[in-house]
Amino acid sequence: DTGVSQNPRHKITKRGQNVTFRCDPISEHNRLYWYRQTLGQGPEFLTYFQNEAQLEKSRLLSDRFSAERPKGSFSTLEIQRTEQGDSAMYLCASSRGQATTDTQYFGPGTRLTVL
Amino acid sequence: AQKVTQAQTEISVVEKEDVTLDCVYETRDTTYYLFWYKQPPSGELVFLIRRNSFDEQNEISGRYSWNFQKSTSSFNFTITASQVVDSAVYFCALSPAPYNQGGKLIFGQGTELSVKP
Repeated sequence: DTGVSQNPRHKITKRGQNVTFRCDPISEHNRLYWYRQTLGQGPEFLTYFQNEAQLEKSRLLSDRFSAERPKGSFSTLEIQRTEQGDSAMYLCASSRGQATTDTQYFGPGTRLTVL
Repeated sequence: AQKVTQAQTEISVVEKEDVTLDCVYETRDTTYYLFWYKQPPSGELVFLIRRNSFDEQNEISGRYSWNFQKSTSSFNFTITASQVVDSAVYFCALSPAPYNQGGKLIFGQGTELSVKP
């Protein structure tokens, strides 16, 4: 299996612009997660999908953030009207979603810099 | 509240030394999973181990070993005979009852390990 892939790897944008990131999970993984990691911190959960259904959203996910997984395969994370505080690494992970085995495998991340 | 604490922010050792990374967690759940991930300078989180709350057996994998003690809510990670390639940030993470609650991971702040030749 190929691993989780994320595009782009780096994104530099100006404050107020919209950005969209894409995540392609491991094939046949039902669950897909988004996390955010700022410098010197551990990743923080943002949201997750079971197939195409978005089942949980963290309070970190403000109204400017939206995530989709339209066909239960790849997912997109959009940030509208970016702010400097949005600068972070955005990590995507996927897992099989079975009851007894739910290890999450992470992609390389998208590093966002908001100027 | 669910929380993971990695009190050691940075550790520096000389190659071939043994090193233990501490992890203390808090949860009221009786069923949960604990994980360790490695994040090398390239940035991608690499899965190392998963342990469920009902299995307190220690585990050894090559130079890596893990000590899980429910009585002290700790899940410590030891690297024996460290190597330069072990240099990375290591994260401990907690996941409550994975299937019913989505399995989101709660991470500690990480321990940056530097192994010098």
